[in-house]
Formats: sequence, C-alpha cells, structure tokens
Amino acid sequence: QKEVEQDPGPLSVPEGAIVSLNCTYSNSAFQYFMWYRQYSRKGPELLMYTYSSGNKEDGRFTAQVDKSSKYISLFIRDSQPSDSATYLCAMIYMFSGGYNKLIFGAGTRLAVHP
Amino acid sequence: EPEVTQTPSHQVTQMGQEVILRCVPISNHLYFYWYRQILGQKVEFLVSFYNNEISEKSEIFDDQFSVERPDGSNFTLKIRSTKLEDSAMYFCASRAGEIETQYFGPGTRLLVL
Repeated sequence: QKEVEQDPGPLSVPEGAIVSLNCTYSNSAFQYFMWYRQYSRKGPELLMYTYSSGNKEDGRFTAQVDKSSKYISLFIRDSQPSDSATYLCAMIYMFSGGYNKLIFGAGTRLAVHP
Repeated sequence: EPEVTQTPSHQVTQMGQEVILRCVPISNHLYFYWYRQILGQKVEFLVSFYNNEISEKSEIFDDQFSVERPDGSNFTLKIRSTKLEDSAMYFCASRAGEIETQYFGPGTRLLVL
C-alpha cells in the first residue's frame, strides 16, 4: 500500500466552481499535513499547513483533515484561471532521531477555464 | 519575502560527469533538504542536513551523492558520476525549526545525456 495516494487528475473545471482535491494515507502516525501548489516547471509553493484533525481556512482555500479515515482535502472556492496548477498533498514523516521529511502525493493537475 | 534560490536553473551534462547543484536557503533556517522529481513522478526525499552534517538520507542517496554547506549561505548537492537516471528536477528546501514547514526553491532541471 502506498503511503500517500492522490488522484493525478487532470481535473478541469469552469471558473467560479468549487474544487475538491483529496489524498488518502496509510500511516496513522502522520500528524502534520500540507498542501503545496506547483506551477509547471517550478518548485512546490506552500499553500496551507494543518496539524491533526479539523479544518483550516485561508481566503478561498479550506483544508480538512479526517484522521479517523486517513483522508485529507483541499477545497478551493470561486476557482480562478490563476489557480490552474498541480496541487500536491504532503505529510511530515518523523524519523526516530527527531528529524523529518515530507512525503508527497503524486499531485492533482487542475485546469480552471474561463 | 525571503525565498530559497537555486542555481543553475538548467544543467545538461554527459553521463559520468560530476555536477554540483547550488542552493541558498532562507537565511535564518536551520534544516536543509534536497528532493528530486523525475518527470511525471512524485517529489521524493533525498537527504536532510542539520548542524553541518547529514541527519537523514534515502536509499537513493548513495555514494555518488554528497552534500555540503561550504559557507554560511550556500548548500550544495554534488553528483560525482552522473547516470542517465539522475535526470530530474532537483529541489532544495529549508525550514526554520523542528516542526516547521519546508520552503522550496524553484529547482534545477538536470539532464544527463
């Protein structure tokens, strides 16, 4: 079973639509969950960061974590063409020595058309 | 806003050659990383670096790879003898504290011919 699974899409929506992006994970030890946005041939850019279960809102973006289901979501309201990018979920994996790394999903390609 | 920078943006090299990829992390950050992304695949962890030594590394990070922080600002990834399968985007990342988010640079696209 893969540690982090994410539907690669592509997802195509009209401008103004609500977008739902999702990831599932297998490691119940994950506590920190991130969403990164990656434009073509650029580095991942941090969008949102959530600790444990619950919701977090930032403007048009809402991140949800359901640890009982090992499921995380990113919702984009009133989507804009500028939101067209690949969205990567990522989780912090803690090494035994206290250091950590990010484990990424495959990324979902989103296209918002005018 | 502070950001991670990387040079060069693109590098083309012949198989067997050495390459050095350079990164300037955010200035007050303490933890440094290299990740890579082979075209069409996931971003994957290579190595983390703290207090002037490697803290963790993946199975990908074999003896052909090394990292260094030669001065107070630069962080480098060296590939001693490049292989075709080293062709990828290489991202540097840094973070400030123990459970802080990682900030990524724009990447270096490495093509090994």
